[in-house]
Amino acid sequence: DGGITQSPKYLFRKEGQNVTLSCEQNLNHDAMYWYRQDPGQGLRLIYYSQIVNDFQKGDIAEGYSVSREKKESFPLTVTSAQKNPTAFYLCASSIERRAEAFFGQGTRLTVV
Amino acid sequence: GIQVEQSPPDLILQEGANSTLRCNFSDSVNNLQWFHQNPWGQLINLFYIPSGTKQNGRLSATTVATERYSLLYISSSQTTDSGVYFCAVAAGGGADGLTFGKGTHLIIQP
Repeated sequence: DGGITQSPKYLFRKEGQNVTLSCEQNLNHDAMYWYRQDPGQGLRLIYYSQIVNDFQKGDIAEGYSVSREKKESFPLTVTSAQKNPTAFYLCASSIERRAEAFFGQGTRLTVV
Repeated sequence: GIQVEQSPPDLILQEGANSTLRCNFSDSVNNLQWFHQNPWGQLINLFYIPSGTKQNGRLSATTVATERYSLLYISSSQTTDSGVYFCAVAAGGGADGLTFGKGTHLIIQP
């Protein structure tokens, strides 16, 4: 099946720890994106990548880092510098920049 | 950056009713999408509609780009239509990625 796979679905993190969220796509899409959703809110853009080995900050990049070493993978690391990391994280991809975007099922991160 | 406003924020209807959801945006766009977020958080693509009109079953959408708004129509509502509907746009200039509105929370009562 073609699609976008995020793992894990649920993640618990202790304060001060870094955690990495996985996003893999087999749609052969060039562009990939990470968004954050807080309760009752829309999504906000964290980082995006148009091509391998290149990525750009979105609106709320502070406390996050990404890499794009392979076309199909765009992992997001939530660092200890992110002051309020508890949120729902969604990964998306599109065939090219600004084309129709498709989303994964999301990862719910909770700081305990 | 571009601003996206959705209305109404909440909508409660009886099964079988029709509804219209509105999305206003503050600048020219080259991508506009409508999504339905189900109770598990998954975003389901409804329409990719930077301009014009599209229909898919009981759902249809219209975007008037020159007047900077889009409408999503749901006819003969079913309880499974409940959830949050998001409009998201990508501006003609500036950064990539979508800017989302805050959504319309739709509840369809049996």
